[in-house]
Amino acid sequence: NAGVTQTPKFQVLKTGQSMTLQCAQDMNHNSMYWYRQDPGMGLRLIYYSASEGTTDKGEVPNGYNVSRLNKREFSLRLESAAPSQTSVYFCASSEDVGSNYGYTFGSGTRLTVV
Amino acid sequence: GNSVTQMEGPVTLSEEAFLTINCTYTATGYPSLFWYVQYPGEGLQLLLKATKADDKGSNKGFEATYRKETTSFHLEKGSVQVSDSAVYFCALSDRSGRRALTFGSGTRLQVQP
Repeated sequence: NAGVTQTPKFQVLKTGQSMTLQCAQDMNHNSMYWYRQDPGMGLRLIYYSASEGTTDKGEVPNGYNVSRLNKREFSLRLESAAPSQTSVYFCASSEDVGSNYGYTFGSGTRLTVV
Repeated sequence: GNSVTQMEGPVTLSEEAFLTINCTYTATGYPSLFWYVQYPGEGLQLLLKATKADDKGSNKGFEATYRKETTSFHLEKGSVQVSDSAVYFCALSDRSGRRALTFGSGTRLQVQP
């Protein structure tokens, strides 16, 4: 099915470990995003990529890096995981940043850092 | 900057009750407004949208009207079902095209049989 695919779905890390969350979309969208969802705080933007070859910081970028590998793929890397990064991470894509068609979301990655 | 404020939940209703979830926003210019729904264990899905003042978005029995004068986009449904139990997010899109969607904190709806 067309959409946004995230891997893995679940992950447990020890403090200080690193990992990369993968995201791919097959809708030929220009823009891609990484959000984190925490209880009572809604979704907060970590990084986004308005188009292939560009990335920009969002509201909560500290402790994360991103790579827009090509038009389809946008990865999120935690270099040294901390318990404060325990969260559910969502990748999304859209035709462009200001799209009136809204965003398409993946099903999320639940990350626990112990 | 842009911001979205939603009523706190959870909202607990009996089946067939009337639903209102309040949403107000702060933004420069006239943003596009959205409601997303998140069912348990899933990602967010676009529920409805409105792109200009006085527009009414509707889908699956849900409605919301873009009120510029009150900067609001309240979600309503005349008769909720157990299957509507989910978390609902209000969001806005900056027309500048330079900022990603801004989300509210979400409102959990629980519908009891």
